[in-house]
Amino acid sequence: SYELTQPPSVSVSPGQTARITCSGDALPKKYAYWYQQKSGRAPVLVIYEDTKRPSGIPERFSGSSSGTMATLTISGAQVEDEADYYCYSTDTSGNQGGVFGGGTKLTVL
Amino acid sequence: QVQLVESGGGVVQPGRALRLSCEASGFTFSSYSMHWVRQAPGRGLEGVAVISYDGSNKYYADSVKGRFTISRDNSKNTLYLQMNSLRPEDTAVYYCARDSIPEKFDYWGQGTLVTVSS
Repeated sequence: SYELTQPPSVSVSPGQTARITCSGDALPKKYAYWYQQKSGRAPVLVIYEDTKRPSGIPERFSGSSSGTMATLTISGAQVEDEADYYCYSTDTSGNQGGVFGGGTKLTVL
Repeated sequence: QVQLVESGGGVVQPGRALRLSCEASGFTFSSYSMHWVRQAPGRGLEGVAVISYDGSNKYYADSVKGRFTISRDNSKNTLYLQMNSLRPEDTAVYYCARDSIPEKFDYWGQGTLVTVSS
């Protein structure tokens, strides 16, 4: 079955740039989506179609994709950005379900 | 405003059944595919099932195939998940999520906790 691989944790100081990666064999052909989940809350979409930011998401959140890796970048991370981040994508089989990456815990302190 | 409200969670014994509901409001429910996504305690997100806007197409994760059934009633703006033969490993918070194009899961419910335990 298709898998998306994320690092378990990333740690930065406030104001630094945080980068969270997501690797998957189908990413050259399929979009990546990124979700932020704070403790005890439902996930929130922060990036869609690799690079697009929904309305209401701060400009410090950006996305990129190259080859088999997608990256979520938080420029000037703030304490309130501390959360779990999940990437999501689909494989090339036409399977409607898609998969989530294992999640990355971002610590900002 | 868009709202998704799950209900039906609770404590259930292994082997028993449970039906979850997700009531939608604030948008044209019949125009969107819908998903169930779950999260076991301390674990990551797992897609469980998806249903097309008209109910004609359904997909299930291997972990629930043959035990869970996703359905919808567009006249009631409600999504369902019938869960049979429940196992302890099905213990999780279950979220419903709207599948938008191009945003994908742009709205999520607050989740409902299912605990499978004897």
